[in-house]
Amino acid sequence: QVQLQESGPGLVKPSQTLSLTCIVSGTSIRSDGYYWSWIRQHPGKGLEWIGYIYYSGSTYYNPSLKSRLTISVDMSKNQFSLKLSSVTAADTAVYYCARYFDINNNYRFFDFWGQGTLVTVSS
Amino acid sequence: DIQMTQSPSSLSASVGDRVTITCRASQTISNFLNWYQQKPGKAPKLLIYLASSLQNGVPSRFSGSGSGTDFTLTIGSLQPEDFATYYCQQSSSIPQTFGQGTRLEIK
Repeated sequence: QVQLQESGPGLVKPSQTLSLTCIVSGTSIRSDGYYWSWIRQHPGKGLEWIGYIYYSGSTYYNPSLKSRLTISVDMSKNQFSLKLSSVTAADTAVYYCARYFDINNNYRFFDFWGQGTLVTVSS
Repeated sequence: DIQMTQSPSSLSASVGDRVTITCRASQTISNFLNWYQQKPGKAPKLLIYLASSLQNGVPSRFSGSGSGTDFTLTIGSLQPEDFATYYCQQSSSIPQTFGQGTRLEIK
């Protein structure tokens, strides 16, 4: 059973860096065709794709966040991480990690999600 | 960015009703359209991928159709557990984008 679990601080001060980790179990992060993703949801709002990473290290970021964003992977721990710098109140959201499937440039969907973690940006 | 517009934004229906939610893309996305269901306090759950393919374990009362720019999600006979918010998502190009959601409420 594939499971993803987010972890990290629930409160971050403005201008600091938001850091989250997603621990993956039930599957290898090295699996072909799977990209390891971050998605966020502002309170009471819709979903925003942040970016994803392939186990090779290739990253794909939302251009709106790219200048502040780093996604990395740790294959030895079967986990991946998000760092978002210079945060403001507008970054307050529930952050989800998710698995994205894209094989041979086909399929392309998020099939497993973590439960989500609320990160509040406030002093 | 490709804009995804869902309609209606909210919908009231009764158990047993057939309901349809539409999603329109601001440019053609072929069939790279997915549908998710989200219940309060929970992560989204994949229902339909590639516009019309049913994800494993999803009841057959859910179906999807469309290609290009116009898509629909249909629930054949509403069950109590179907009252939730539904999102479409395009995976044709980066950044991947979601619709604003359709909240399905009990009448």
